Formats: sequence, C-alpha cells, structure tokens
Amino acid sequence: GEDVEQSLFLSVREGDSSVINCTYTDSSSTYLYWYKQEPGAGLQLLTYIFSNMDMKQDQRLTVLLNKKDKHLSLRIADTQTGDSAIYFCAERGGFQKLVFGTGTRLLVSP
Amino acid sequence: NAGVTQTPKFHILKTGQSMTLQCAQDMNHGYMSWYRQDPGMGLRLIYYSAAAGTTDKEVPNGYNVSRLNTEDFPLRLVSAAPSQTSVYLCASRNRVCNSPLHFGNGTRLTVT
Repeated sequence: GEDVEQSLFLSVREGDSSVINCTYTDSSSTYLYWYKQEPGAGLQLLTYIFSNMDMKQDQRLTVLLNKKDKHLSLRIADTQTGDSAIYFCAERGGFQKLVFGTGTRLLVSP
Repeated sequence: NAGVTQTPKFHILKTGQSMTLQCAQDMNHGYMSWYRQDPGMGLRLIYYSAAAGTTDKEVPNGYNVSRLNTEDFPLRLVSAAPSQTSVYLCASRNRVCNSPLHFGNGTRLTVT
C-alpha cells in the first residue's frame, strides 16, 4: 500500500536553511505536495511538484524530487521564526486520494 | 469566501455518546473529505465524497457521513470511543486534476 514517511522534528536557527525530507512508496504518484500547518489551524498548500520534474523553485522554497529513490525534499532558505510549523508531505496516486506523511515539526530559534 | 468552516472547534464527549461534526464550504467544490490527525501518525483519510449524493468509506466502523448537498459534509460519531479522540480536519477541492485541498481549522475532540 501507499506509505509516506518523514522525520518528526527539525530545529534550526533563524537565517539558516532548513531541509525537510520525505520518502514515499507509491511509484505511480503523479503529484507530490508540501503543506504547512500552523498551531490551531488547518493545512495550507505551500507548493507541489509533478512527478516528471526534478526541481521546482518558488521564492524561498525549493522542492527536489528523486523519483528513482522515491525521495522528496523541501528546502526553506533564510528560515524565519514565522516558518515554525508542522510540514506535511503528501502524494497523489489515484484521482481522489491524497496520502499524507506523519509531518515534520520545524522549530526556528532566534 | 469563508472557505471551509468546521464547528465546533473543541468538544468533550463521553464514551457511548453520539455527536455530529459539521463541515461546510462555500467554494462550490465537488470533492470533500474528512481526515483525522493524531500525533506521530500524520493525517488519515476517514471518508470522502466525490459529489453531492455520493460517499466512499476509507476506514470501517465508528463513523458515518452524508452528503445531501454540495456545501455540507457532516461527520457523525455513532457511539464514541476513546480511540476516536483526535483532531478532525475537513477538506474540499474542485474536481479539476491537481486542484489543491482546502482545509478547515479542525475540530479537537476528546472522548473520555
């Protein structure tokens, strides 16, 4: 079955880069997503990448996809305290279903 | 647009009681879904509905849904159990391929 895994915690200092990693098992995934969840709120879509791409950049965010290893990463440049949140990786195989990872809690210290 | 609205934000229920969690969206989205979020387990899909009048179950037992119209997708806990203590997230999207999910702010439910 489909499975998406992430490490649970990441701690960085303000101004550093953060890299959040994700591995997935479904080789038929068409789209892979990164969502952000702030305390007491739902998830917000940050960015996504189509499975035939290796990289996507969007301002401070860079997504890298290694389809052979089924590995996805999210790099946040110049991390700010406002970036502290839980980040979820998700993959879409079938039309309706999104499978989410466990979430990585990013803590940014001043 | 209010987006996806969930009520209540918090609730405490006793084992065996029933309750309905409300979810409404005003974006005319065909697809709606319910997830539960538990620490260290990410989000798990409970139910989804591709359009008004249709529902599909992902996990068995303990939950029930109805989709009488496009806007509303209530989730009913028939006889609550402590294992259903969780944060429940409702989400919707339109049916265009790769359209993003829009989430509500969640209902934090505790079953004692």
